[in-house]
Amino acid sequence: GENVEQHPSTLSVQEGDSAVIKCTYSDSASNYFPWYKQELGKRPQLIIDIRSNVGEKKDQRIAVTLNKTAKHFSLHITETQPEDSAVYFCAAREEGFQKLVFGTGTRLLVSP
Amino acid sequence: DAGVIQSPRHEVTEMGQEVTLRCKPISGHDYLFWYRQTMMRGLELLIYFNNNVPIDDSGMPEDRFSAKMPNASFSTLKIQPSEPRDSAVYFCASSPTSGSATGELFFGEGSRLTVL
Repeated sequence: GENVEQHPSTLSVQEGDSAVIKCTYSDSASNYFPWYKQELGKRPQLIIDIRSNVGEKKDQRIAVTLNKTAKHFSLHITETQPEDSAVYFCAAREEGFQKLVFGTGTRLLVSP
Repeated sequence: DAGVIQSPRHEVTEMGQEVTLRCKPISGHDYLFWYRQTMMRGLELLIYFNNNVPIDDSGMPEDRFSAKMPNASFSTLKIQPSEPRDSAVYFCASSPTSGSATGELFFGEGSRLTVL
């Protein structure tokens, strides 16, 4: 089955800096890669996703890149703000299946 | 729509007791998922249903865990008997049929279970 690894487990940055979180996946059949943000005590919520026919996708300050050959994808947050502080999860889903396999999460702390 | 609704939000019980967690998915969503979240293991998929039928229960830790979906608007996750290591936040999520869409997961608020 699919296995998703995520790094780093914690990330501390100063407000205004960029943050990058990286994930690798094992199943070359996976074709959908979402990122979820979970604020303290809240539910995970989708912030951006990418499909395997696209190499990069942007939405304001966040972007995701995908390298299918290397089987890794990354989340980039620019101009970080304190409200970006949360746990971020990457995930992968195989073509034809509905279940998402999540990485172990990255706790991002943005200091003012 | 009110989103995915889970109950109870918090449950504290003693080892050996039966625990039942409940979930109402978003109306019209074909898929329902139960995830367990712990600090050590992150978000683990326990089981998921499609049109009320269990599709993959390979994540259910052991026979003490069972899940049902008697109709399109209700699912339960039962632990009997409960053990301290079952303490976690249990999330229910639903999603529409993916098709050409992304099949985004919509999570409930979670049920925080503490087994003493």
